[in-house]
Order: sequence, then C-alpha cells, then structure tokens
Amino acid sequence: GENVEQHPSTLSVQEGDSAVIKCTYSDSASNYFPWYKQELGKRPQLIIDIRSNVGEKKDQRIAVTLNKTAKHFSLHITETQPEDSAVYFCAASKKSWGKLQFGAGTQVVVTP
Amino acid sequence: EADIYQTPRYLVIGTGKKITLECSQTMGHDKMYWYQQDPGMELHLIHYSYGVNSTEKGDLSSESTVSRIRTEHFPLTLESARPSHTSQYLCASSESGQALTGYTFGSGTRLTVV
Repeated sequence: GENVEQHPSTLSVQEGDSAVIKCTYSDSASNYFPWYKQELGKRPQLIIDIRSNVGEKKDQRIAVTLNKTAKHFSLHITETQPEDSAVYFCAASKKSWGKLQFGAGTQVVVTP
Repeated sequence: EADIYQTPRYLVIGTGKKITLECSQTMGHDKMYWYQQDPGMELHLIHYSYGVNSTEKGDLSSESTVSRIRTEHFPLTLESARPSHTSQYLCASSESGQALTGYTFGSGTRLTVV
C-alpha cells in the first residue's frame, strides 16, 4: 500500500521567514495530494491540494509543488505569521482507492 | 449548514463501560472514516465505509466497531472501554465519484477512560 513520509517533524521559524515541509510517497499511481492544517484543539482543515497533472499551485502565501518523477511534494509558506503556527499534515491517494494516506505531521512554530 | 458533527465533544468514563461516539454529516458524502489521534500526533485510520452497509477496518488495529445503516450516520462503539482507549477520535467524510477530493473532518471526541 501507499506510504507517505513527512519531514521535518518540527519546524521553528521567525515571523516573516519562509517555511517548507516535504513529503515523499511510495505509490506511483497516487494522483491527489492534499495538505491539512490543524491548530491546537481544532479539527484538521484542508488548506491546499494538488493533482498529478499539475506541478505547482499557489493560494496567497501558501504553495504546493509536486515532482512526480521523484515522488515528492512540498508545502511552502511565505511571510509566516504567528497564526501559521499549527500541525501540518500531507496526504496522498489514488482514484481507484480513495483513502488518504497521511504523513506523520509537522509541528510549525512561528516566533514573533 | 452542511458539515460533519461529532458528539460528545468530551467524554470521561470508567473502565469497562460501553460507549458510542456519534458522527453525522449533512453533505451527502458516501465515504466516511474514523481516525484515532493523540494530541498533535499522527492520524491513525481505524475504520472506514464507502457506503451504506459497507465497513472496513483501517490500518490501526482497534477494539472498536462501526456501523453504517444510513448514509449520514457512522457511529463508533467501544464494547468495554479501557484506559488504553484514551485518545481523540476524529470522524471524516469525503465525496465519491470520479473527482478526488479531500476530507472534511469533524471537531472530534476527546475520550478519557479512568
């Protein structure tokens, strides 16, 4: 089955700097890659996703890149703000399967 | 408002009690999932369902059971709770069909077994 690895497990950044979280997946048939943000005590929420026919997608300060050949995808947060502090999860799935396989999560701390 | 709802939000019970965690969604999603999550930690899939009368065990072995008698309702039951069951339980749902979409998560039930 699919295996998703996520790095780093914790990330501390100064406010205004950029943060990058990387994920690798094992199943070359995976074609959908969402990212979730979970603030303390709250539910995970979808913040951005990318499909395998696209190499990059941006939404304001966040962007996701996908390298299908290398089987890895990354989340980029620019101009970080304290409200970006949360746990971020990457995930992967394929159409024939439907279930998301999640990475282990990255705790991001943005210090003022 | 279309969403996914979990009750109770918090539950403290004694060892050996039977409990049911409720999950309902009003989005008409066919697929529903239960995850176990310790605070700030990995999401472990314990059960999922692709439709009415369809249930499957997930990646993490669990002593709980689920049922899917109605599309909108996916309750999780622990027949005899133990302290090792103390955790947060998150329910999620997603659309079926050709378009791949992400999950919508409920707010979770934080269970403490004493």
